[in-house]
Amino acid sequence: DAGITQSPRYKITETGRQVTLMCHQTWSHSYMFWYRQDLGHGLRLIYYSAAADITDKGEVPDGYVVSRSKTENFPLTLESATRSQTSVYFCASGTSRYNEQFFGPGTRLTVL
Amino acid sequence: GENVEQHPSTLSVQEGDSAVIKCTYSDSASNYFPWYKQELGKRPQLIIDIRSNVGEKKDQRIAVTLNKTAKHFSLHITETQPEDSAVYFCAGGGNTPLVFGKGTRLSVIA
Repeated sequence: DAGITQSPRYKITETGRQVTLMCHQTWSHSYMFWYRQDLGHGLRLIYYSAAADITDKGEVPDGYVVSRSKTENFPLTLESATRSQTSVYFCASGTSRYNEQFFGPGTRLTVL
Repeated sequence: GENVEQHPSTLSVQEGDSAVIKCTYSDSASNYFPWYKQELGKRPQLIIDIRSNVGEKKDQRIAVTLNKTAKHFSLHITETQPEDSAVYFCAGGGNTPLVFGKGTRLSVIA
């Protein structure tokens, strides 16, 4: 029972490079979310998706792109990475916006 | 949009004592208030949640209270144990997706 997984778990990249973080869930949850976690800021929503092919911006969407062609996958792309995007990224899934969200293990991204 | 503020940012208690963490929210339309616990290096996990039609909810040593008029809700942990040491996040949502507080680092001193 894999639940929700993220890959890679750790990533180091350079400024200006494109990076894609992967998220996969096996529960067939309709909702999926991407958060970033920075010291002093808690969890901030980047993008979320209510279903395949439906995505919406969260609190901090600038510099990020998402897609959701299949219910189980929700990749997050940094088109041109910047140092300010160094963070821990968590993917989550749930049956609605107002029920429990199940978080993945996180991806620690460092942009040099 | 919704704004959730959480206090205190750090909290130290003696083992066996109680701990209280408080959150306020701004959007009167918010109707779902979960609390997540995050241990060091781990993912956040739901520990308890409350909806706006309920004033209090308990689960063993953990309780959450909600005051809709004042727009605040609190997490109460009784008989704290060392394994309660973690960062706790409150969150609120209604017409908009959940907004999280900045977290409270709870340290339980044995």
